[in-house]
Amino acid sequence: ETGVTQTPRHLVMGMTNKKSLKCEQHLGHNAMYWYKQSAKKPLELMFVYNFKEQTENNSVPSRFSPECPNSSHLFLHLHTLQPEDSALYLCASSQVLSAGEFSYNEQFFGPGTRLTVL
Amino acid sequence: SQQGEEDPQALSIQEGENATMNCSYKTSINNLQWYRQNSGRGLVHLILIRSNEREKHSGRLRVTLDTSKKSSSLLITASRAADTASYFCATDYSGYSTLTFGKGTMLLVSP
Repeated sequence: ETGVTQTPRHLVMGMTNKKSLKCEQHLGHNAMYWYKQSAKKPLELMFVYNFKEQTENNSVPSRFSPECPNSSHLFLHLHTLQPEDSALYLCASSQVLSAGEFSYNEQFFGPGTRLTVL
Repeated sequence: SQQGEEDPQALSIQEGENATMNCSYKTSINNLQWYRQNSGRGLVHLILIRSNEREKHSGRLRVTLDTSKKSSSLLITASRAADTASYFCATDYSGYSTLTFGKGTMLLVSP
């Protein structure tokens, strides 16, 4: 147990569905992340929230919409996805040292949500 | 791309042998981290080495950092079948706001 939980663990959805992935961290961290991991590709950073504010959006399509209501919870809302969006979606958290200049210590990952888009 | 590169991409050894994985990166870093991922699971942090450190140990793990060559190595001694996993290096580049992960080395330890 890393202190980061993700639900659901598996999700199968059609291209017209709307679903949400949930992440919760119990570590008191102030930064949370969404990553996408596809087969034979490096880990892709999607979104970063530091101090509850989104600081990174790595050219992610608008069919992925993040939400961070507080420092412990992170959501990824999904709508009208494509089959190529099928992947393992990982959430992580860390303690960022300051708001002005970031120095990244270890990240703690959840177990991931295996998403299949039909 | 600032992405680090692990080498080799895959490594197959017998239990009891040592496993060495390497990571090369592009520009100056604050720190470099190694993570492990069991198949289909989340990543687990193993060890962090700061730019002013040259070597670090944690149990059977030994990490070295050579900033002049912009490279790091992870050594797992006396490997066990349970060490079978993918291993990733992640760099905290100076001036960047996120960690950058490499593609990983897949390690298979056979009994």
